[in-house]
Amino acid sequence: GESVGLHLPTLSVQEGDNSIINCAYSNSASDYFIWYKQESGKGPQFIIDIRSNMDKRQGQRVTVLLNKTVKHLSLQIAATQPGDSAVYFCAENSGGSNYKLTFGKGTLLTVNP
Amino acid sequence: DSGVTQTPKHLITATGQRVTLRCSPRSGDLSVYWYQQSLDQGLQFLIQYYNGEERAKGNILERFSAQQFPDLHSELNLSSLELGDSALYFCASSARTGQETQYFGPGTRLLVL
Repeated sequence: GESVGLHLPTLSVQEGDNSIINCAYSNSASDYFIWYKQESGKGPQFIIDIRSNMDKRQGQRVTVLLNKTVKHLSLQIAATQPGDSAVYFCAENSGGSNYKLTFGKGTLLTVNP
Repeated sequence: DSGVTQTPKHLITATGQRVTLRCSPRSGDLSVYWYQQSLDQGLQFLIQYYNGEERAKGNILERFSAQQFPDLHSELNLSSLELGDSALYFCASSARTGQETQYFGPGTRLLVL
């Protein structure tokens, strides 16, 4: 069945370091992926997305890498700042006629000043 | 601010009661999605409406129902509430239906006592 999981439930980094958050997915038919950031008490906030015809996409300070061979997704945050502290979710779009998002369990990123 | 609004922000009620959660999508968005977030289940897709019609169903209980009105706002009705229904309920919207970004509202925190 479909599942999206995260390797690391928590990640602690120093301010200014780069962060890498990983995600594994099991549905090889999935072809659209999104990273969301959720701060305490708020709804998930869109960060970046990627389609399966790409293996890399860059945004402002963030890069998403997709490895379809091993069904792995990662989010890289450059020069991590205290404001980046949050739970990060990867989400997988099931495709077909159903456009629900299947979310992983999330990784808590803590940035130490 | 995603442009998606949800009311109320908090809701406290008793078991057996019925509540209605309201969502207004971003201006111009035709699709509305409902998700439930609990500590043990994570973010789970409940249901999607597109331009007033039900488009997809997830793990939504029979005690729960939703609708989307002509002005595109949506309501999620939860009845015969149980303690286990306590959770955060998020609404998301997207422009159409398909593999596109879903923007989340701030959520409604439901506490069933």
